[in-house]
Amino acid sequence: AQSVTQPDIHITVSEGASLELRCNYSYGATPYLFWYVQSPGQGLQLLLKYFSGDTLVQGIKGFEAEFKRSQSSFNLRKPSVHWSDAAEYFCAVGARGNKLVFGAGTILRVKS
Amino acid sequence: GAGVSQSPSNKVTEKGKDVELRCDPISGHTALYWYRQSLGQGLEFLIYFQGNSAPDKSGLPSDRFSAERTGGSVSTLTIQRTQQEDSAVYLCASSEDINSQYFGPGTRLLVL
Repeated sequence: AQSVTQPDIHITVSEGASLELRCNYSYGATPYLFWYVQSPGQGLQLLLKYFSGDTLVQGIKGFEAEFKRSQSSFNLRKPSVHWSDAAEYFCAVGARGNKLVFGAGTILRVKS
Repeated sequence: GAGVSQSPSNKVTEKGKDVELRCDPISGHTALYWYRQSLGQGLEFLIYFQGNSAPDKSGLPSDRFSAERTGGSVSTLTIQRTQQEDSAVYLCASSEDINSQYFGPGTRLLVL
């Protein structure tokens, strides 16, 4: 069965510092991987996705993620965090055109 | 273009009453999904519609939950005889074929 683990429930970083949010997945085939962001009281916004090809994918708002098959990981990174990045981040895995399985989420706090 | 819209944005109901939640997907998207987000359970898949195929209802938690999609567009999620544990945010998403799912803002349901 598919599963996603986000080991960090909360992360706090200083504004301007770099960020890495961890995601590990379990899936029997080549996964479709996603990162979503959710601001308080809002729906989920797609940051980036990996289907195939280049293992380093670029997304919106300056985010990127790297797919590492050997580690079953899809970590999200940003070189310099802005206060507006404070939100909850969800990693998800899905089959082709099918339901998504989400991790528990990581809440990002940004301190000035 | 317009994104996924959901109505109502908030719903307060009494235990035992029925509720209907509506989702308008992005025009042209053939797939539509319902998810539930609650404090204890995180983000859970409920049901998935793809074109004219039979829906995947594998995530519906009980027979009090049902959903339909009329004309391949608008969808309604119905919860009968609501219980307090049904309180959650109900999220709808749509996608083209194998592509990414785009989420609406959600309906916050509170069962008193």
